[in-house]
Amino acid sequence: AQTVTQSQPEMSVQEAETVTLSCTYDTSENNYYLFWYKQPPSRQMILVIRQEAYKQQNATENRFSVNFQKAAKSFSLKISDSQLGDTAMYFCATNSNSGYALNFGKGTSLLVTP
Amino acid sequence: NAGVTQTPKFRILKIGQSMTLQCTQDMNHNYMYWYRQDPGMGLKLIYYSVGAGITDKGEVPNGYNVSRSTTEDFPLRLELAAPSQTSVYFCASSMTSNTEAFFGQGTRLTVV
Repeated sequence: AQTVTQSQPEMSVQEAETVTLSCTYDTSENNYYLFWYKQPPSRQMILVIRQEAYKQQNATENRFSVNFQKAAKSFSLKISDSQLGDTAMYFCATNSNSGYALNFGKGTSLLVTP
Repeated sequence: NAGVTQTPKFRILKIGQSMTLQCTQDMNHNYMYWYRQDPGMGLKLIYYSVGAGITDKGEVPNGYNVSRSTTEDFPLRLELAAPSQTSVYFCASSMTSNTEAFFGQGTRLTVV
């Protein structure tokens, strides 16, 4: 079974600043996948970024990037140039080829202030 | 693009009542899921399906049932609702188990 830990229940950042959200996971699989999902107040779950564990290069999507440390089983999300619209819950999730569904962490509530 | 459609968006049930949460997707995805989200607890898997006619239990299946008679539809049935089932329910689908999952807008269910 895979477990996902997000150790920061709440975080705050000022507009235009950079913030990093932490995620660690535990898995016995060799091939797996990591995700960050965003849930704004509208409740909709939106994929932010996806990383394949066998790829050493960190995934990047515009202002969002990850720091993937496979040996440490760490998968942090960096948000650059934070915008008010980034205010949301952020969930880290994992899956593997032998798994059937995503395993989620408990989430980090991010507040971006003016 | 409709994506994943869940109905209803909100519902209040009395203890002991039953209801079905509807979920349909138009992306021809094989995998479908039901999650529940409780405050501070993330999303927990209730049931999943890897294709029409195939369903299996997730982490928290007690009190729920599902069926998958077609690729598109994956309804979740609550029998004898209990206050512990007060939660936000999400249906999701994906092409495979490790590709992006698309979520419905959620159903906020309150059992009183």
